[in-house]
Amino acid sequence: DTAVSQTPKYLVTQMGNDKSIKCEQNLGHDTMYWYKQDSKKFLKIMFSYNNKELIINETVPNRFSPKSPDKAHLNLHINSLELGDSAVYFCASSQGAGVQETQYFGPGTRLLVL
Amino acid sequence: QKEVEQNSGPLSVPEGAIASLNCTYSDRGSQSFFWYRQYSGKSPELIMFIYSNGDKEDGRFTAQLNKASQYVSLLIRDSQPSDSATYLCAVNTPGFKTIFGAGTRLFVKA
Repeated sequence: DTAVSQTPKYLVTQMGNDKSIKCEQNLGHDTMYWYKQDSKKFLKIMFSYNNKELIINETVPNRFSPKSPDKAHLNLHINSLELGDSAVYFCASSQGAGVQETQYFGPGTRLLVL
Repeated sequence: QKEVEQNSGPLSVPEGAIASLNCTYSDRGSQSFFWYRQYSGKSPELIMFIYSNGDKEDGRFTAQLNKASQYVSLLIRDSQPSDSATYLCAVNTPGFKTIFGAGTRLFVKA
């Protein structure tokens, strides 16, 4: 009964491929996030959805496209993968989008682009 | 200037000592502050949050906030080897965006 789950846990792929990462939360939260953690462990927000609506869209290449089919799911599709996309991608969720909300993180997806 | 700054460490303390982790932030309008712990190869997990100036204690952990100085810290008393991890300071900005610091690596020597 994992609170925030991601699939796959590991993803090894070639440059130029298209891949998707899926995230699901069973906490009943309204808000979900995608973060990228690079090799220097710097965790940076990419997108945030509140009730299936995009509320945060950081400066991320257009190759990255999030999709939220419902409040419990937030998927990330990446087109034309590049070497620099190699990182750990974390999904997170919070009760709402307010400034005092605590975020709960999934286990991460380790993406390696060769 | 980075939005949230932390000393990357590593910070090494002996078992039983107090570990002091510091964080500064640039957006004066920031309202809430969080400390997350991240073990190697794992996801961040919340240790504490603090919204008001002053100290907040939870077991061996104390968070301190000084909004005038734009400074937040985490003290870990009676440090244990199991506390060895990277500690991430996170700040929620008025734009509802969470900004993370780069983290401080803590080593607690047995």
